[in-house]
Amino acid sequence: DTAVSQTPKYLVTQMGNDKSIKCEQNLGHDTMYWYKQDSKKFLKIMFSYNNKELIINETVPNRFSPKSPDKAHLNLHINSLELGDSAVYFCASSQYVLKLSGNTIYFGEGSWLTVV
Amino acid sequence: DQQVKQNSPSLSVQEGRISILNCDYTNSMFDYFLWYKKYPAEGPTFLISISSIKDKNEDGRFTVFLNKSAKHLSLHIVPSQPGDSAVYFCAARGSRGGGADGLTFGKGTHLIIQP
Repeated sequence: DTAVSQTPKYLVTQMGNDKSIKCEQNLGHDTMYWYKQDSKKFLKIMFSYNNKELIINETVPNRFSPKSPDKAHLNLHINSLELGDSAVYFCASSQYVLKLSGNTIYFGEGSWLTVV
Repeated sequence: DQQVKQNSPSLSVQEGRISILNCDYTNSMFDYFLWYKKYPAEGPTFLISISSIKDKNEDGRFTVFLNKSAKHLSLHIVPSQPGDSAVYFCAARGSRGGGADGLTFGKGTHLIIQP
């Protein structure tokens, strides 16, 4: 009964391919995120969605397209994969709260993407 | 431009002693700070947090201190245990406002607890 689950955990694919990573949370949260951890171990936000609506898009290339069919799911589709896309992608979720209140973000286990 | 900085990539502490992990930030709009712990091949797990209106929060062996004027926070672990060996990420929220901000992370500090 993992709170935030993402699949696949490991993915090796060739340049130019299209791939998807799926994410589901069973915490009843209304906000979901995708984070990327690159080779320098820097963890950076890519997208956030609140109730299926895109809130944050951190200058991510158009080849990355998140899709949220409902507030419990946020999938990440990547077109025309490049070598530089190799990274660990973390899905996360939280409850939407206003500024000056805290919200804890819960992370999935990560998806290790290697583009060859 | 890093808005959250953890200047020590690694820290080695003897079991039973106090571990102190430091974090500095530059954005005065941050209103909430969190520490995450990460083991290899796993996702970050939430450890402890503090609101910008407080200067201390304690949870068992873990205490987070916030010095707003210095834009500095620290995580104290006492006593340190072997299971505490992990990478610790400092994170901050609130650069844009709103409840879907996401977090800005530091680069992490690898804590090693020696027996």
